[in-house]
Amino acid sequence: EVQLLESGGGLVQPGGSLRLSCAASGFPFSSCAMNWVRQAPGKGLEWVSTISGGGYSIYYADSVKGRFTISRDDSQNTLYLHMNSLRAEDTAVYYCAKASSFAFVINSFDYWGQGSLVTVSS
Amino acid sequence: DIQMTQSPSSLSASVGDRVTITCRASQGISNYLAWYQQKPGKVPKLLIFAASTLQSGVPSRFSGSGSGTDFTLTISSLQPEDVATYYCQKYNIAPSTFGGGTKVEIK
Repeated sequence: EVQLLESGGGLVQPGGSLRLSCAASGFPFSSCAMNWVRQAPGKGLEWVSTISGGGYSIYYADSVKGRFTISRDDSQNTLYLHMNSLRAEDTAVYYCAKASSFAFVINSFDYWGQGSLVTVSS
Repeated sequence: DIQMTQSPSSLSASVGDRVTITCRASQGISNYLAWYQQKPGKVPKLLIFAASTLQSGVPSRFSGSGSGTDFTLTISSLQPEDVATYYCQKYNIAPSTFGGGTKVEIK
């Protein structure tokens, strides 16, 4: 059974930093592209970042480029999102999501974690 | 970047009605289009990928069609458990953009 479990969310002041983690199980993690998607309160879904299996290809939304860093530890089956220079508009539930197939890095997302709330406020 | 526009933003229909949601891409994306269902307070769920392929376990009343720039999600007979917000997502190339969502309610 595929499981994705996010952790690391919380309250942070504007300009602060936070690291989200997503522990994965139930599938060959190292072979699979992984993603972060966020949803601000009462708003729609926003793709944040994608990393290929092995970490060779990485993509970011313009809204987070230069501030967020996606990474993965395939030995620990864990995905990370390092968030720096946080702004109020980064307040959202952050989901990790698994790519639907191993064939393509940019893909649909067939499994999602339960989400981790990040609140940026003074 | 390619923009994804969904319409309508919300709709209200009766149980048993046929419901159609449209997603338009600002440039052609072939069939690299997925649809998701998000029930209130829940995690998004993949319904359809490759524009028309039903994800395993999804009821057959859901169907998708389209290619290029214009896509539709159809619910052939709306059920109470289909109350949710539906999102399209394009995934031909990065960025992997979502549409703004369509909220479906029961009349």
